[in-house]
Amino acid sequence: GAGVSQSPSNKVTEKGKDVELRCDPISGHTALYWYRQSLGQGLEFLIYFQGNSAPDKSGLPSDRFSAERTGGSVSTLTIQRTQQEDSAVYLCASSKEAGLANYGYTFGSGTRLTVV
Amino acid sequence: AQKVTQAQTEISVVEKEDVTLDCVYETRDTTYYLFWYKQPPSGELVFLIRRNSFDEQNEISGRYSWNFQKSTSSFNFTITASQVVDSAVYFCALSDGEGNKLVFGAGTILRVKS
Repeated sequence: GAGVSQSPSNKVTEKGKDVELRCDPISGHTALYWYRQSLGQGLEFLIYFQGNSAPDKSGLPSDRFSAERTGGSVSTLTIQRTQQEDSAVYLCASSKEAGLANYGYTFGSGTRLTVV
Repeated sequence: AQKVTQAQTEISVVEKEDVTLDCVYETRDTTYYLFWYKQPPSGELVFLIRRNSFDEQNEISGRYSWNFQKSTSSFNFTITASQVVDSAVYFCALSDGEGNKLVFGAGTILRVKS
């Protein structure tokens, strides 16, 4: 598509439930990133995918968080047993290439997750 | 560890004023990249500029200009003749030498009043 698409745009869930957040990157972009924006922590890196390489998961805050990218395109970020501190805006970004060739990501509008 | 500090939490100016947003960074990498992003009320982060650590030339793009000084570890952003549409949150960010995993500052809220 023309931009990075994220769904849902808003999600309210009960504490303890699992949620899935979806990101559809720009067509042809090989690198995909997840960030989280919260009031207390600001913008934090979570995970990134580059082509068929193993993802860099170093930013995932706990083992309740996982992400996958199927077919080198759409990515799903899953949060299991959600906690109130998981409430944040989850931002996805893609770029044509990762690393040194990356000239700035294109971000989506984010998914606002509220855990009640 | 890498760190980005944007000391100005919020700035208010009147239209047509010039405004400078400060960014100070910390890194042990010799190769790194610095970025500025704009986040308007719609929420999307909009890429403005990338600068690598070996290029200290200042850059100007229309009303925007950036001043990169390695000696003070600063990468400041100036908007000349500000406009109401410039109102947004501006983030400075730092990546490692591989160009991935951005570390963001806390952001500066810029309010431009007409």
